[in-house]
Amino acid sequence: DAGITQSPRHKVTETGTPVTLRCHQTENHRYMYWYRQDPGHGLRLIHYSYGVKDTDKGEVSDGYSVSRSKTEDFLLTLESATSSQTSVYFCAISVGQGQETQYFGPGTRLLVL
Amino acid sequence: KNQVEQSPQSLIILEGKNCTLQCNYTVSPFSNLRWYKQDTGRGPVSLTIMTFSENTKSNGRYTATLDADTKQSSLHITASQLSDSASYICVVSAWLSGGSYIPTFGRGTSLIVHP
Repeated sequence: DAGITQSPRHKVTETGTPVTLRCHQTENHRYMYWYRQDPGHGLRLIHYSYGVKDTDKGEVSDGYSVSRSKTEDFLLTLESATSSQTSVYFCAISVGQGQETQYFGPGTRLLVL
Repeated sequence: KNQVEQSPQSLIILEGKNCTLQCNYTVSPFSNLRWYKQDTGRGPVSLTIMTFSENTKSNGRYTATLDADTKQSSLHITASQLSDSASYICVVSAWLSGGSYIPTFGRGTSLIVHP
């Protein structure tokens, strides 16, 4: 698992509330990613980070923000959760000379009522 | 737009049989192609990774092939086991300027192995 943990693992929240998901890694990898996975879709990139305070948007970034103040932590925030953000969220890190290999965390199941 | 299409969407086979999963892609500029296995309720785990110059890569009973000319890949599973029941995801990455890459994920093939 490349030392990746996600918290919480499960969360139920109400529409309009803020939610923050945490990804923690123990091996000082530079690149970190947040994906969401929904039935009928492949994994879709939300945001990624290539260093402390260096982040960029993925293909489905609307409604999400991220922060990375330390190498080991990458936070994903839903400022005002909507039902369409009900999903399974995966964090990943990439390793290798060209960052070609990704390792995924165990996932966070989020239900927005 | 970069796309990865996998087929079949789902597959049921008997334990001990072989099977082949397909992946077609339109990703440019091509960096690498990976196959992942994802068990229910868990994150994907990498099986193989191939660059442009590689046309086959094995990992135990899993063998991936890549035809960069036709932009097709396959994952062959030999002598299937019940533990092979999972979703298999094809991921193709395009190079970004600066030396990094962006992956495009297929929707996966759901494989069920029956005893």
